[in-house]
Amino acid sequence: QVHLVESGGGVVQPGRSLRLSCAASGFTFTDYAMHWVRQAPGKGLEWMAVISYDGSKKYYADSVKGRFTISRDSSKNTLYLQMNSLRAEDTALYYCARDGELGKDGFDIWGQGTLVTVSS
Amino acid sequence: DIQLTQSPSFLSASVGDRVTITCRASQGISSNVAWYRQKPGKAPKLLIYAASTLQSGVPSRFSGSGSGTEFTLTISSLQPEDFATYHCQQVNSYPLTFGGGTKVEIK
Repeated sequence: QVHLVESGGGVVQPGRSLRLSCAASGFTFTDYAMHWVRQAPGKGLEWMAVISYDGSKKYYADSVKGRFTISRDSSKNTLYLQMNSLRAEDTALYYCARDGELGKDGFDIWGQGTLVTVSS
Repeated sequence: DIQLTQSPSFLSASVGDRVTITCRASQGISSNVAWYRQKPGKAPKLLIYAASTLQSGVPSRFSGSGSGTEFTLTISSLQPEDFATYHCQQVNSYPLTFGGGTKVEIK
């Protein structure tokens, strides 16, 4: 069964760092691009970042460019999001999601999310 | 960046109703739109991709249409599990963007 399981969320002070992980199972991880999407409490979805199937290409939302870094480890079937210089407005539920097979067919698998709270 | 405007933001409907949600893009994006349903406390679920293609396993009461800048999601007969929030997404170019969401509540 195809699964994505996020971890690493928690409460962190402004300016500090946090690394999120997303463990993939049930599919060939290296065949798919992967994304991070976040949702602030009571708000809509905000796309954060994507990494290509082989890790060679990465794109970011302007709101996190230069602060967040997406990466993947194919030996561990795991996606990461390194978040630095965290701000209160980064408080959200963070989801990892699998890109569709065709590349422009949406995100077909999502994790359950991990909550990040940035507060002093 | 491509902006997506969903309307309405909120709608009240009854079981069995036909419901239509609109998503307008700030520039042409061909048919590169996906639609999701998100139940409270759950992750989004892909319903439609490429504007009108039903994702595997999604009931046929869901349909999508449109191209260019205007897209619609239609639920032909609303079921109890469809009371949720719906999101459109453009996958035409980075940065990817989502619409603001449409919450469908029970009348």
